[in-house]
Amino acid sequence: AQSVTQLDSHVSVSEGTPVLLRCNYSSSYSPSLFWYVQHPNKGLQLLLKYTSAATLVKGINGFEAEFKKSETSFHLTKPSAHMSDAAEYFCVVSSNTGGFKTIFGAGTRLFVKA
Amino acid sequence: DAGITQSPRHKVTETGTPVTLRCHQTENHRYMYWYRQDPGHGLRLIHYSYGVKDTDKGEVSDGYSVSRSKTEDFLLTLESATSSQTSVYFCAISAGLAGAEQYFGPGTRLTVT
Repeated sequence: AQSVTQLDSHVSVSEGTPVLLRCNYSSSYSPSLFWYVQHPNKGLQLLLKYTSAATLVKGINGFEAEFKKSETSFHLTKPSAHMSDAAEYFCVVSSNTGGFKTIFGAGTRLFVKA
Repeated sequence: DAGITQSPRHKVTETGTPVTLRCHQTENHRYMYWYRQDPGHGLRLIHYSYGVKDTDKGEVSDGYSVSRSKTEDFLLTLESATSSQTSVYFCAISAGLAGAEQYFGPGTRLTVT
């Protein structure tokens, strides 16, 4: 079985401070992991993905995530938040072993204060 | 941006009426998906397609059917709409399956009264 838990429904940071969005996953197989971002009233855009290559994954707009198998975590970080980062972020686990499944977390809304 | 359009973008319909949402792509991607987005649930997969006339169920397929008669078009049908199907519906496409990036359409806001 697969599941995704985003540990915070809302995160608020000040502009210029670090961002940490937490994601834990459960999967019976070696999964692919993704982070997507959704700006208000828009579709989703890929930030980064992990597919069993390097455990530290770099994405767009300065975001990165580290796959930690022992902790079953895939937390998203950024050293310095910008106002334009305010959006909703989704952690996703996907696999095609035993049938295709893709599971989205409930989302974390990021607020950035000036 | 990936060439994905959804129509209509907004729809209000009454309980019990049939509704069809259309997803059209110009990328020639093999895989297409329909999701619904509800507060507190993220996105949930309704159905997906892995080729013309080849479809399979997702996590929340009850009350929905799909068809894909051409590579570029993927239709989602609510045979008899219910208020619980009020949601925002997103179509997505990808070149591969589990490990591939999905590209999302702009969404359709459906309200069932």
